[in-house]
Amino acid sequence: AQKVTQAQTEISVVEKEDVTLDCVYETRDTTYYLFWYKQPPSGELVFLIRRNSFDEQNEISGRYSWNFQKSTSSFNFTITASQVVDSAVYFCALSEARDDKIIFGKGTRLHILP
Amino acid sequence: ETGVTQTPRHLVMGMTNKKSLKCEQHLGHNAMYWYKQSAKKPLELMFVYNFKEQTENNSVPSRFSPECPNSSHLFLHLHTLQPEDSALYLCASSQGWEATNNEQFFGPGTRLTVL
Repeated sequence: AQKVTQAQTEISVVEKEDVTLDCVYETRDTTYYLFWYKQPPSGELVFLIRRNSFDEQNEISGRYSWNFQKSTSSFNFTITASQVVDSAVYFCALSEARDDKIIFGKGTRLHILP
Repeated sequence: ETGVTQTPRHLVMGMTNKKSLKCEQHLGHNAMYWYKQSAKKPLELMFVYNFKEQTENNSVPSRFSPECPNSSHLFLHLHTLQPEDSALYLCASSQGWEATNNEQFFGPGTRLTVL
C-alpha cells in the first residue's frame, strides 16, 4: 500500500538558516513518482518538483534542493538561506504508475522567523 | 482567466441544502481532480476524471456527487452534508494520460462550512 510520512509537523527557523523537510514513502511498485508542493497562507497549492523512481539524481533549483534516496525510501527537501516568504505548509506526495491515486503526506508547516 | 479557478471561494450551507462547487481550468489539461483538506486529516483525493471519465472514486460518500461535462469543467454537487464535511475543497488539473503522475495545478479552493 502507498504511504507518505512527513514526521515533522511544524518547524521554525530564523531567516537565512538552512532547513530540511523530511519525507519517507512506502510503495510496492517499482515505477512511481514523488512530488513536493507548497501551500502558502493563500491556500493554493503550488507544484515544486516531480521525480520518477528511476531518476535518483539530486536536483537543485535556486535555493531549493531535493535528495532522493531509494535505499532509505526518502525524498527530502532542503531550503538554503531561508526567507520569510518560504513560510508555508509543504506537502510530499506519491503516485504509483499503475493507478490514478496520489497520496499526500500530512504536510510540514514551516515558519521562517525574521 | 488563467490557471485553475474555483467558485465560490467561500460557502456556508445548512445540512438540508443543495449546492454545487465549480472548477474550471484554462490550461488545456485532460485530467481534473477534487481534493478535501480538513484540519484533522491530510489532503485527501476524492475524485479523478481523465478525459471526462471518472477513473477514481476514493470511497467518497454519495452526498458528494461529481460531474465533469468536459475536460475544462468539473463540478462537485453537495446535498445533505454533515458538519464534519466542513473543509477546504481544492480542485486541480494535470496533463497527459498518466493523470496522477504529472504535476498538478491547483485552484484556490472553496472554504465550505456546514452548519
